[in-house]
Amino acid sequence: AQSVTQLDSHVSVSEGTPVLLRCNYSSSYSPSLFWYVQHPNKGLQLLLKYTSAATLVKGINGFEAEFKKSETSFHLTKPSAHMSDAAEYFCVVTSGGTGRRALTFGSGTRLQVQP
Amino acid sequence: EAQVTQNPRYLITVTGKKLTVTCSQNMNHEYMSWYRQDPGLGLRQIYYSMNVEVTDKGDVPEGYKVSRKEKRNFPLILESPSPNQTSLYFCASSLAKNIQYFGAGTRLSVL
Repeated sequence: AQSVTQLDSHVSVSEGTPVLLRCNYSSSYSPSLFWYVQHPNKGLQLLLKYTSAATLVKGINGFEAEFKKSETSFHLTKPSAHMSDAAEYFCVVTSGGTGRRALTFGSGTRLQVQP
Repeated sequence: EAQVTQNPRYLITVTGKKLTVTCSQNMNHEYMSWYRQDPGLGLRQIYYSMNVEVTDKGDVPEGYKVSRKEKRNFPLILESPSPNQTSLYFCASSLAKNIQYFGAGTRLSVL
């Protein structure tokens, strides 16, 4: 069984300040972890992925995430928020070895960026 | 351009009137899947397909059907829609490594 908990449903930051979106996961197997972003009225875009290589993962648009097995966390960060980062972000887990390849989504974190 | 295409993007219908949401991908992916997105619940998998003529239930399959007659297409069928199927639906496809590419979504309202 696998699950994802996004610890904040809403996060508000000022433009130019750091972003931290928190995610904890649970998985019976070695997990693959992802962050997806969804802009208003748009589909889901892959930001970055962790698949058992380097624990610090760099993604698009300056985002990165660190896989911490001891804390079962995969928090998403960005040093300096931009107005265009305002969107909903989903932390996603899937377990290796299953043919179903089902993605288990967190409930999402809505990021607001204030000017 | 590699993409997953869903149609229609928006649909309003009435209870009991059969409908189909189409999904097509041009990446030659073997794996395709349907999800529904509801507020506060993230995305939940409805059905998936590992390859042509191979489909199976996801987490919330009740009230839905799918078919996979060709590799590129994976339509979602609601034989008798009900208001609790009002949702935002996403189709996704994948080749390997669990990276799934999503369509733009179909917003369905069942009155």
